[in-house]
Amino acid sequence: DGGITQSPKYLFRKEGQNVTLSCEQNLNHDAMYWYRQDPGQGLRLIYYSQIVNDFQKGDIAEGYSVSREKKESFPLTVTSAQKNPTAFYLCASSIFSERYNEQFFGPGTRLTVL
Amino acid sequence: KQEVTQIPAALSVPEGENLVLNCSFTDSAIYNLQWFRQDPGKGLTSLLLIQSSQREQTSGRLNASLDKSSGRSTLYIAASQPGDSATYLCAVSADKLIFGTGTRLQVFP
Repeated sequence: DGGITQSPKYLFRKEGQNVTLSCEQNLNHDAMYWYRQDPGQGLRLIYYSQIVNDFQKGDIAEGYSVSREKKESFPLTVTSAQKNPTAFYLCASSIFSERYNEQFFGPGTRLTVL
Repeated sequence: KQEVTQIPAALSVPEGENLVLNCSFTDSAIYNLQWFRQDPGKGLTSLLLIQSSQREQTSGRLNASLDKSSGRSTLYIAASQPGDSATYLCAVSADKLIFGTGTRLQVFP
């Protein structure tokens, strides 16, 4: 079964703690993305990667970091510098094409700060 | 700056009705437009993708149209069912995907 998996489904973070969200895909897609979703707002792009060992900041990258050591994996770390991290985080992937980038999404991780 | 708007924000209809969801965008320089479905607490499911050169796409009871010059897309759902209840998001693609805030649809029996 091809798809995108995210873990954990729910994550709780204490103040000042870094946490890492996992995203794995077996679709053989080159590009991967991280979005944040808040109630009443559209999805906002955090980081994206079009190829292994390369990634770019999206619109709201401050307080987040990523790595892309393998084609299948694109973990997102929410650092203590992110002041309002409580949100629903979605990972997506697509083939690497500037003009045809139909994106497919994982099931999401809900992060709550205690 | 590209902005995507979806109207209405919420819609409640009886089962069996045909309905139209609207999406408008401010910059017509897009590569494609994608419609998604999102169930509560879940990820997004891709429904239809329309290339900028296309006028419409169909999948089962769903039909999406695109009028790039006027900055509009519609998602038509025929013979709605309670299982269609979800939030529907549109997103336009230029150098990245820009999302609308969605239309929350409830279909009651």
